[in-house]
Amino acid sequence: QQQVKQSPQSLIVQKGGISIINCAYENTAFDYFPWYQQFPGKGPALLIAIRPDVSEKKEGRFTISFNKSAKQFSLHIMDSQPGDSATYFCAARNDYKLSFGAGTTVTVRA
Amino acid sequence: NAGVMQNPRHLVRRRGQEARLRCSPMKGHSHVYWYRQLPEEGLKFMVYLQKENIIDESGMPKERFSAEFPKEGPSILRIQQVVRGDSAAYFCASSLSGKNTEAFFGQGTRLTVV
Repeated sequence: QQQVKQSPQSLIVQKGGISIINCAYENTAFDYFPWYQQFPGKGPALLIAIRPDVSEKKEGRFTISFNKSAKQFSLHIMDSQPGDSATYFCAARNDYKLSFGAGTTVTVRA
Repeated sequence: NAGVMQNPRHLVRRRGQEARLRCSPMKGHSHVYWYRQLPEEGLKFMVYLQKENIIDESGMPKERFSAEFPKEGPSILRIQQVVRGDSAAYFCASSLSGKNTEAFFGQGTRLTVV
């Protein structure tokens, strides 16, 4: 039973374009929503995170939008670069336990 | 300033053998988590340990899997009598405290059962 649903499964974007990844959750006990970036053969690395009392958080080219009433959150990657090509996972935390989405493979074409 | 260290990075086992995966947390971290990633899927929580204690093993298969985090040395995830379905990437994470603190992931151990 997937507690966090993520879409799309993959996306291709041109260099300089915007990548958008969406996630939805059901469990209202989640109180922290991180996004992880994973390169092939590596572990997931924290990219950016948000708490549910904030509707948007921006760090450089990465922005999280959070809609508490809809129980949805999304990652926007602005001005996508070839180095952003990776798999992105949304996650939601309850206490110490992270529940991950299935991942989105982003390919940025030069 | 080493991060979470996992070894081996790659492990090949024949069906029926035992697999031992090791995880050394970041310096100063006493909370360790194990997650499993099957191909094309997100990570799934397996177990949460503090030194010498298993706090939550709700994600661990009931049989063949065990974990420990002794007073001295790394945390160990042990899989006995491996089967093909155990092939996955196993990630360890560590944190400073259990609640509401960031967990940092290691690079994982890729287990292949042949």
